Amino acid sequence: DAKTTQPPSMDCAEGRAANLPCNHSTISGNEYVYWYRQIHSQGPQYIIHGLKNNETNEMASLIITEDRKSSTLILPHATLRDTAVYYCIVYNQGGKLIFGQGTELSVKP
Amino acid sequence: NAGVTQTPKFRVLKTGQSMTLLCAQDMNHEYMYWYRQDPGMGLRLIHYSVGEGTTAKGEVPDGYNVSRLKKQNFLLGLESAAPSQTSVYFCASISIASTDTQYFGPGTRLTVL
Repeated sequence: DAKTTQPPSMDCAEGRAANLPCNHSTISGNEYVYWYRQIHSQGPQYIIHGLKNNETNEMASLIITEDRKSSTLILPHATLRDTAVYYCIVYNQGGKLIFGQGTELSVKP
Repeated sequence: NAGVTQTPKFRVLKTGQSMTLLCAQDMNHEYMYWYRQDPGMGLRLIHYSVGEGTTAKGEVPDGYNVSRLKKQNFLLGLESAAPSQTSVYFCASISIASTDTQYFGPGTRLTVL
């Protein structure tokens, strides 16, 4: 199973873009990059995922480097409600879905 | 469409007691996962299932058993509860379609005295 490396914590000013990096240098060709977040003690919330191409949805954008060894989750206009722990995961459909320690994002007024 | 539900929401056990946690999903998803999360820690995978009648071990399977007799239900059993199993347990349900969204349940808070 590929592993990911994320900074333990980040701060972001409210209204600004939050850019959360993730390294996954051992990712294999059939593994997707998934992002989740967990607010307080709630169940994790799916945000976005991608294989090779950049992806965008109503919540965020996912930028994956051409060699697929790293990615960045972008929250374009962070709000206080985006304060959470963000998890980057590499996942092969039907395999183990392993969470790392994640990045604790604090959005400040 | 209720998504993923977990039963019970809270439970207190005495050491040595047994119990079963139920995860149910109504989205016809193939893959289901059980996690535990200790205070201040990330989620750790206990067991998972890629289809009805199949299960596999995760990162921390010892002390737990699982069954997936029906596609919509994934059961997590504790045969002889220990204080070290005090945790919040989350269930996840995932579709085989890579484009589909994934869902987590609200969690079960278990305390073993």
